Amino acid sequence: DGGITQSPKYLFRKEGQNVTLSCEQNLNHDAMYWYRQDPGQGLRLIYYSQIVNDFQKGDIAEGYSVSREKKESFPLTVTSAQKNPTAFYLCASRVFRGRANQPQHFGDGTRLSIL
Amino acid sequence: SQKIEQNSEALNIQEGKTATLTCNYTNYSPAYLQWYRQDPGRGPVFLLLIRENEKEKRKERLKVTFDTTLKQSLFHITASQPADSATYLCALENDMRFGAGTRLTVKP
Repeated sequence: DGGITQSPKYLFRKEGQNVTLSCEQNLNHDAMYWYRQDPGQGLRLIYYSQIVNDFQKGDIAEGYSVSREKKESFPLTVTSAQKNPTAFYLCASRVFRGRANQPQHFGDGTRLSIL
Repeated sequence: SQKIEQNSEALNIQEGKTATLTCNYTNYSPAYLQWYRQDPGRGPVFLLLIRENEKEKRKERLKVTFDTTLKQSLFHITASQPADSATYLCALENDMRFGAGTRLTVKP
């Protein structure tokens, strides 16, 4: 079945460490997105990419980095510069080029906690 | 900047009643608006999309309205069931931004 796979489901980070969250999709979607979700605040956009080798900052990009070397993959690195990284991270993808009105498909998230 | 508001953080209703959730937006004129459902610990799942030239859209027990004058969308679940309990999110077209969501609880 086609879909989006996020791994791991749970991730723990020590202070000062960088961690990378994986997001892979086999839907042949052009665009991919990373969101952070905190209780009561809904989804906040971190980064998005509409095409391979290109990505744009969202509303809360500070302390995060991404790459888009392959269409299928959009990993998110939470760097030590992110002072409050504990959150639920969601990856999504969507058909983009030439196809308006397409919904996003989400993975089941990675919950990151600080040790 | 644009702003999306879902007017209730939580809504509790009795089974069989109609649930109505509200999504308001400002400083924007979206060509369409989407509604998603999110269960605890899971990613959101797309439910319905409504375009600016559509007043109403239905899918089984779900109904969405879109009033571009009021800058508001209403999401209705008729004959609600405990299985409808979840958080419901609205999102503006390609803007990739979501409301904070409304947590619906349907009590038996």
